[in-house]
Amino acid sequence: QVQLVESGGGLVKPGGSLRLSCAASGFTFSDYYMTWIRLAPGKGLEWISSISGSVSATYYADSVKGRFTISRDNAKKSLFLQMTTLRPEDTAVYYCARGGGYSGYGAYWGQGTLVTVSS
Amino acid sequence: DIQMTQSPSSLSASVGDRVTITCRASQTIKFYLNWYHQKPGKAPKLLIHAASNLQSGVPSRFSGSGSGTDFTLTITSLQPEDVATYYCQQSYSTSWTFGQGTKVEIK
Repeated sequence: QVQLVESGGGLVKPGGSLRLSCAASGFTFSDYYMTWIRLAPGKGLEWISSISGSVSATYYADSVKGRFTISRDNAKKSLFLQMTTLRPEDTAVYYCARGGGYSGYGAYWGQGTLVTVSS
Repeated sequence: DIQMTQSPSSLSASVGDRVTITCRASQTIKFYLNWYHQKPGKAPKLLIHAASNLQSGVPSRFSGSGSGTDFTLTITSLQPEDVATYYCQQSYSTSWTFGQGTKVEIK
């Protein structure tokens, strides 16, 4: 069955960096777009970034463009989110989801990893 | 960016009631509209994709309709396990956007 497991969250100071990972299993990873979505305290879901399956085209929300980098390793069935210049407003649970792009949808989600940006 | 507006922002209904949530896009998104719900502390779950296609394993009391800019999620008979926050999401653009959410509670 499809499984997505995020890791790498934690407490980081403003201006700091963090790298999130998402380990995938149960499907042909390289066939699918993958997406990061976050849920900040008291807010709604926010799409952050997507990456295509094979050519690794990338897309970013304006709120993270230039600070976050999405990448993937198809051989290791892993998705990554490198986050730099973190701000308190980046505090959220970060989810990886299978799916993305035009006409896409998040059919499967991980359990999420909490990122807290605070001094 | 395409803006998605849901209404209402919250609702309270009795078990067995018919519940309707609407989602409006700031421009046409054809039928590229998906619905999720999220229970506290859990990951979001896909309910409906492409406006009206029920995701496998989702109870048939959930249905979706609409195209263009106006969409509806209907729960025909609200159950206690349906308490959650519901979100619409467009994928007409590669930059997805979500509605602000509708919190559904039991009266």
